[in-house]
Amino acid sequence: GAVVSQHPSRVICKSGTSVKIECRSLDFQATTMFWYRQFPKQSLMLMATSNEGSKATYEQGVEKDKFLINHASLTLSTLTVTSAHPEDSSFYICSARTAGGPDTQYFGPGTRLTVL
Amino acid sequence: DAKTTQPPSMDCAEGRAANLPCNHSTISGNEYVYWYRQIHSQGPQYIIHGLKNNETNEMASLIITEDRKSSTLILPHATLRDTAVYYCIVRVAGGADGLTFGKGTHLIIQP
Repeated sequence: GAVVSQHPSRVICKSGTSVKIECRSLDFQATTMFWYRQFPKQSLMLMATSNEGSKATYEQGVEKDKFLINHASLTLSTLTVTSAHPEDSSFYICSARTAGGPDTQYFGPGTRLTVL
Repeated sequence: DAKTTQPPSMDCAEGRAANLPCNHSTISGNEYVYWYRQIHSQGPQYIIHGLKNNETNEMASLIITEDRKSSTLILPHATLRDTAVYYCIVRVAGGADGLTFGKGTHLIIQP
């Protein structure tokens, strides 16, 4: 149980284009989803917290107009990287927190974004 | 969330028990100890968590000292697939915040 999927697993795009990444909780409802970013040889850094039906909360230094987050249902959150640039190339990982039960976050497999 | 301190790297022979330490001397009474691991180029995987009692599941055991200032994650029979970065995180259960990852311990299982 507690499976989280991400799509796509890998994407290469041209500078200036937008990329959408989907995060789905497959077998549970997630009232809260989180988006993280991980640069090579570094640890995960929290970007934003996404609550179903409300606006996302962004961490300091993360541009909300560049990283658009939509959490339209209890099983789906999307992250759109707008006007991507090479410095946005990174490993993007989402996690979902179960509603009720132990406070455990389950992570997706990650999306490798490369901006040319 | 309270800070944690972990050794940057450890080696362990395949088939032996891997014991990963974590110091969390400023942990608060309502904070749990969580362990996650991240295998290269994958998302983190939840392992185990506990408050003050020792815990065991199918993946690992968690030993928390009586004063709760430190803990040890034990992988009883390490395999090559256990090579990963292991993160010890303390946080209040039920908190709305995301996780704060430190640098973790890079555990390398040697054949």
